[in-house]
Amino acid sequence: DSGVTQTPKHLITATGQRVTLRCSPRSGDLSVYWYQQSLDQGLQFLIQYYNGEERAKGNILERFSAQQFPDLHSELNLSSLELGDSALYFCASSPGGGRGTDTQYFGPGTRLTVL
Amino acid sequence: GIQVEQSPPDLILQEGANSTLRCNFSDSVNNLQWFHQNPWGQLINLFYIPSGTKQNGRLSATTVATERYSLLYISSSQTTDSGVYFCAVGAWGGNQFYFGTGTSLTVIP
Repeated sequence: DSGVTQTPKHLITATGQRVTLRCSPRSGDLSVYWYQQSLDQGLQFLIQYYNGEERAKGNILERFSAQQFPDLHSELNLSSLELGDSALYFCASSPGGGRGTDTQYFGPGTRLTVL
Repeated sequence: GIQVEQSPPDLILQEGANSTLRCNFSDSVNNLQWFHQNPWGQLINLFYIPSGTKQNGRLSATTVATERYSLLYISSSQTTDSGVYFCAVGAWGGNQFYFGTGTSLTVIP
């Protein structure tokens, strides 16, 4: 158990809908990262937050957004869902600002299925 | 971004055999981690190893940063070692983490 929690574990929804994925980092970790794992794209970095502020952005679609709250939990919002958004979404956390040197610990993931 | 290549893509071993997995990366890195993704999808940290050598039980890893590669050694493999092994790197001055495409390991009894 990495100490990172994600809810829900599974999510099934329809095209065009909006969903919210939630992540609670390990106790004391200030950075939260979101990743998408799909069969065709592999594991891709989406976005990082550090202590409530966006720190880095990767291959995140405009239909997706995220935020980190004062209690350091984070939410990833996916809207206007398409079939291709079906994937495993991971959250990771690390102690510091993640200037490339932190160990990242991954949560169990949320499996999103868009029908 | 940094390109990360892993080899071999697939590996089938008899229980008890040893193996070496390789990760090549295209630029200087200040972060390199090896992960094991088990059949249930969980990503488990194995090593944080931007340089040097580390050992943890039957697993060990070596990163030669100047030559831009890392190796993961699995000795006396067990069926529970099955899954996909990922190498991920972070670039100097950046926060983004780049994953390789993984090595899928199957250990048969």
